[in-house]
Amino acid sequence: DQQVKQNSPSLSVQEGRISILNCDYTNSMFDYFLWYKKYPAEGPTFLISISSIKDKNEDGRFTVFLNKSAKHLSLHIVPSQPGDSAVYFCAASAGGNTPLVFGKGTRLSVIA
Amino acid sequence: DAGITQSPRYKITETGRQVTLMCHQTWSHSYMFWYRQDLGHGLRLIYYSAAADITDKGEVPDGYVVSRSKTENFPLTLESATRSQTSVYFCASSESDAGGWGTNEKLFFGSGTQLSVL
Repeated sequence: DQQVKQNSPSLSVQEGRISILNCDYTNSMFDYFLWYKKYPAEGPTFLISISSIKDKNEDGRFTVFLNKSAKHLSLHIVPSQPGDSAVYFCAASAGGNTPLVFGKGTRLSVIA
Repeated sequence: DAGITQSPRYKITETGRQVTLMCHQTWSHSYMFWYRQDLGHGLRLIYYSAAADITDKGEVPDGYVVSRSKTENFPLTLESATRSQTSVYFCASSESDAGGWGTNEKLFFGSGTQLSVL
């Protein structure tokens, strides 16, 4: 049973527009959420995170929103740039010694 | 160089062979992890380790063996490789060593090993 779901395998956005990547989770014990970005032939790199005590966290062009009641989070990239083209993984943590759980990823293509 | 390195970068082997993927980190992170990435499955945890000589199974441990005799190394062995183990393998480490990890602890990944089992 998938605990972290990224239902859109891919997304195409024009340069300069907003990219919105979505993630849903089922485990109510998750209290910390992270987004990772992965370029081809490289390992994933940490992008941004949010604690369950917040509903928004912003870092430059990247903002993550958390809706706990809906068990949903989203990553907004504004404005989108061609260099943002990558696979984005959503991950969740239940704290303690439990490992991160990753979604399947969403491939973002930003078209110039 | 500082960081987390994996070797080899690419590996081709045959079914039934033993293969060991290496992972080395220079940060002295307590926690280390092995993930595999497959199309349609994302990143799945194989094994992880909280410290030297402490390892635990992840989501997909069957067919794999790990060891951690030193903090900086976390090799992954496929004892008898199968075609279903063709994948990209990522090693990662976590900067927490304060008695636990998970919350607020982000992972640092290596560049991966692309393994093909023929």
